[in-house]
Amino acid sequence: KNEVEQSPQNLTAQEGEFITINCSYSVGISALHWLQQHPGGGIVSLFMLSSGKKKHGRLIATINIQEKHSSLHITASHPRDSAVYICAVRVGNYGGATNKLIFGTGTLLAVQP
Amino acid sequence: KAGVTQTPRYLIKTRGQQVTLSCSPISGHRSVSWYQQTPGQGLQFLFEYFSETQRNKGNFPGRFSGRQFSNSRSEMNVSTLELGDSALYLCASRGTGLHEQYFGPGTRLTVT
Repeated sequence: KNEVEQSPQNLTAQEGEFITINCSYSVGISALHWLQQHPGGGIVSLFMLSSGKKKHGRLIATINIQEKHSSLHITASHPRDSAVYICAVRVGNYGGATNKLIFGTGTLLAVQP
Repeated sequence: KAGVTQTPRYLIKTRGQQVTLSCSPISGHRSVSWYQQTPGQGLQFLFEYFSETQRNKGNFPGRFSGRQFSNSRSEMNVSTLELGDSALYLCASRGTGLHEQYFGPGTRLTVT
């Protein structure tokens, strides 16, 4: 079983729909990241969370530390939101030999006009 | 501030050769991490350097190595290339403390 699980793996939505991508993890973490990757492109960091909720424009990220679960929401989705969304967790003590990011397998989102 | 830069962006090598990839972090960032992304395995952590020292390493064979210079620029080297080393190699930098990472555009390596 992967330490970081994302669902769904693939998601097709119509423009304007509300979208939710989920991430569950099974290890102790110091932070959780949501990343965006466009086809052939580099990775952009959307959010870094250690508790609660963050909002940036139409994007909202939440985390429940007790349940080891995070969600990424996109309100009023647009075709330009089409990308792979990746959840990653940071494990290990800061500066320690085991400190690293562990990645989920990603969610491929396609928003149709 | 300029972002993280990686050179070259694309590279084609033959099996058995070696390759060196370069990463320049955001100015002031002392931590540089390297990642491999393949369709089969997804994103995997290779290693992290901080102040010219390798701080931690992922589960990759010894053919994968790296170093960091005093100006925080980092290089990774892969010796005796295998077909399975074909991947997008990403580096990311972050500032001191629990700060978010900033990724470079990646180097796409193709081994034939």
